[in-house]
Amino acid sequence: AQSVTQLDSQVPVFEEAPVELRCNYSSSVSVYLFWYVQYPNQGLQLLLKYLSGSTLVKGINGFEAEFNKSQTSFHLRKPSVHISDTAEYFCAVTPRGNQFYFGTGTSLTVIP
Amino acid sequence: DSGVTQTPKHLITATGQRVTLRCSPRSGDLSVYWYQQSLDQGLQFLIQYYNGEERAKGNILERFSAQQFPDLHSELNLSSLELGDSALYFCASSPRLAGESEQYFGPGTRLTVT
Repeated sequence: AQSVTQLDSQVPVFEEAPVELRCNYSSSVSVYLFWYVQYPNQGLQLLLKYLSGSTLVKGINGFEAEFNKSQTSFHLRKPSVHISDTAEYFCAVTPRGNQFYFGTGTSLTVIP
Repeated sequence: DSGVTQTPKHLITATGQRVTLRCSPRSGDLSVYWYQQSLDQGLQFLIQYYNGEERAKGNILERFSAQQFPDLHSELNLSSLELGDSALYFCASSPRLAGESEQYFGPGTRLTVT
């Protein structure tokens, strides 16, 4: 069975500071990994994904994530956040099949 | 704009009633997914259809059912509604069956059961 754990439910950070949102997963098979962002009153939007190859993945809006197979982690990072990054962030995995498993989300609040 | 449309945007109904939520996927996408998002449960996968056939089932209640029509639009039917069914229901679509393609999410339907 697959599961996704987002270790922080809320992350406050000052504007222009770096941020890391943590995601760990468990799976008995190889998986694809995704980060999605949800702005208030909107649907989810893909930030980045890892399918194979380089473990450092770059996404939109300056975000990047690193896949660590030994630690079964896929943490999301941004070196300098902006007010507009305030949103809910979801980590998701799929065992290369049909079903996606989402974490419970991390609420990122950027403080001016 | 993801290209996925959902109607209605908001729905208010009473307990015991039945509602139908509609989703039109992006042009050319064959897979449709339904999710329920609530404050206490987070984002829960309900069901997936691919080209008209059910392909995966998640935490979908027996009171809920879905289908995908020949034109690829999908409907989620919720019956005998309870207060706890109040949530945001998302539809997502993707081009293929396999998981390497991202899902494109619609804006959601907010259901309030009173």
